[in-house]
Amino acid sequence: GQQLNQSPQSMFIQEGEDVSMNCTSSSIFNTWLWYKQDPGEGPVLLIALYKAGELTSNGRLTAQFGITRKDSFLNISASIPSDVGIYFCAGQDVAGNMLTFGGGTRLMVKP
Amino acid sequence: DTEVTQTPKHLVMGMTNKKSLKCEQHMGHRAMYWYKQKAKKPPELMFVYSYEKLSINESVPSRFSPECPNSSLLNLHLHALQPEDSALYLCASSQDRGPNQPQHFGDGTRLSIL
Repeated sequence: GQQLNQSPQSMFIQEGEDVSMNCTSSSIFNTWLWYKQDPGEGPVLLIALYKAGELTSNGRLTAQFGITRKDSFLNISASIPSDVGIYFCAGQDVAGNMLTFGGGTRLMVKP
Repeated sequence: DTEVTQTPKHLVMGMTNKKSLKCEQHMGHRAMYWYKQKAKKPPELMFVYSYEKLSINESVPSRFSPECPNSSLLNLHLHALQPEDSALYLCASSQDRGPNQPQHFGDGTRLSIL
């Protein structure tokens, strides 16, 4: 099925560094969602974005809904070891609440 | 802790067995979903239920049979599965299928087919 273009595919950073990842699409979405998945668990919703241009924070996480409605980014500030996991973006369409997922960004943090 | 509960957490079954996966939510959500996730890949949609009726079947083989007994429960009946069906099966729910209703996932059932 269709996937969003999510980059980077993986990141290996030092604890305390900031992280940035993004998703782009050829289609317009009305909602952008960011999830984090730990090993052996399901995706957990981090941030939901509902309006073009919207900038939303959740603790050390900040995400933006691109003005063209075709992209979104997620920033993590001052990374800590528990930030390790796979981060997925997902675009939600207008009609039926279907999600299109990005390929995921695997984040590894070195203490 | 997730508010979508899936059981069992792990399941190993032979290709001739019949088993069922269960999903439960008590958030009053009226849309529920089954996804299949292979290692290092994003979830892939299988089925969507809206108000206890099947609204989407993403061309899933008939060896997977979903059931929604009531608004809080979603089952996935398995029969004659193949080794390539080994995966993490995720259940999700949302308030309904309208806009601005994010999906919330359970922790999944790790299924292994021998």
